[in-house]
Amino acid sequence: DAGVIQSPRHEVTEMGQEVTLRCKPISGHNSLFWYRQTMMRGLELLIYFNNNVPIDDSGMPEDRFSAKMPNASFSTLKIQPSEPRDSAVYFCASSHWTSGSTGELFFGEGSRLTVL
Amino acid sequence: KQEVTQIPAALSVPEGENLVLNCSFTDSAIYNLQWFRQDPGKGLTSLLLIQSSQREQTSGRLNASLDKSSGRSTLYIAASQPGDSATYLCALGRNQGGKLIFGQGTELSVKP
Repeated sequence: DAGVIQSPRHEVTEMGQEVTLRCKPISGHNSLFWYRQTMMRGLELLIYFNNNVPIDDSGMPEDRFSAKMPNASFSTLKIQPSEPRDSAVYFCASSHWTSGSTGELFFGEGSRLTVL
Repeated sequence: KQEVTQIPAALSVPEGENLVLNCSFTDSAIYNLQWFRQDPGKGLTSLLLIQSSQREQTSGRLNASLDKSSGRSTLYIAASQPGDSATYLCALGRNQGGKLIFGQGTELSVKP
C-alpha cells in the first residue's frame, strides 16, 4: 500500500482565497483524522471521521474550516476564506478502528500551507 | 481533561549512549499509547504501539513501557546513532473512537 496520500504538499496563497487540502487514506482503514501542526501549538486534532461520518469536530477552529468525507477513500479539508494565522502543516492520518483493533495511526507527509 | 507531557523538550547525547524519553499523562483511562518519530519536514512515523493491557513493546533497539498507575510511558533507545536524531512524540488513544492526544514531543540530537 502507498500509505496515506496528501495533496498538495505545498500551498502558498493570499489571504481571502479558498484552500482545499486532499487526503486518500490507506485502503481498508475506516477512521480518518485531520491534524494541524504549528511550532506554537504542536499537533492539534481538527476533526475525525469513522466510517465516513464526522465523529468529533470540536477542534475545528471556526466556521471558515470545513471537512468532508464523501467516501471511504477520499477526504477534503477546506478553508474559506484563508487567513495568515492558518499557516501551518496540515496532516491527514488513518487507522483501522474497531473495538478489537490496535488503532495504530498512520500519517501522510502533510500539506504545508502558507497564507500571505 | 487528559493532558500529555513530554520532558525534556530537547535532548542532546553522544553517539552510542543509551537514553530514555519520558511521557506522562493525567488520566489512566486509556485504550493504547503510541510512540512516533518525526523528521524535519516530514510526517509522523509510528514506532511502537502499546495496548492498555500490555506493559511494554520492543522493536529492534527501541523499547517502550507503559505504567498506567503512575501515568507514565518511557521510550528506551539503546546504542543511539546519529540517524536517531528526530522529534519523538507520544500519543494516547482514548477509549472512544480512536482519537489520539499528543504530547509536545522531545527533540533528540545524537552527536557523532
